[in-house]
Amino acid sequence: QKEVEQDPGPLSVPEGAIVSLNCTYSNSAFQYFMWYRQYSRKGPELLMYTYSSGNKEDGRFTAQVDKSSKYISLFIRDSQPSDSATYLCAMSDGPGNQFYFGTGTSLTVIP
Amino acid sequence: NAGVTQTPKFQVLKTGQSMTLQCAQDMNHNSMYWYRQDPGMGLRLIYYSASEGTTDKGEVPNGYNVSRLNKREFSLRLESAAPSQTSVYFCASSESRTYGYTFGSGTRLTVV
Repeated sequence: QKEVEQDPGPLSVPEGAIVSLNCTYSNSAFQYFMWYRQYSRKGPELLMYTYSSGNKEDGRFTAQVDKSSKYISLFIRDSQPSDSATYLCAMSDGPGNQFYFGTGTSLTVIP
Repeated sequence: NAGVTQTPKFQVLKTGQSMTLQCAQDMNHNSMYWYRQDPGMGLRLIYYSASEGTTDKGEVPNGYNVSRLNKREFSLRLESAAPSQTSVYFCASSESRTYGYTFGSGTRLTVV
């Protein structure tokens, strides 16, 4: 079983829609969580970084962590064509320890 | 632009050949990493360097070696390339291992 599971999609939504991207994990010790965006043939870029449970908001992006369900989400409000990319989640169980990445969800926002 | 620079961007090798992938960062980060990205497998850690002078194995180190040349530079060497090493390789850096990573643009390697 993989440490981190992520639905690869592809996910296609109309411009302006609310997008929900999700990852599940098996290691209950994970407490550091990151979301990355990766455009085609580019390196991943950090979107959100959260510690432990709860929500974190940054502009149109909201990261949510539910440790009891071992489930994290990234919400994108008012989605734009420029949001079309692959979104990767990553998580770690402590400072200095390895981050495990999901396989990524491919998102297309249609104008 | 500030960030992580990887060279080369593309490379084709024959089985058994060797090569070194170069990575340099100009953000004064302490930690550096090498990942490979394969379809359906996600990003997998090959080696990392928590600080200058130290290196450690990650999830998939076999067939690779690394050198942390100084605080800025972290190279990845394939001594005898195999087709299974065909992948996209990303270098990343972070202020410390609990901070988010900055990735380079990747090296697309094909071993025939």
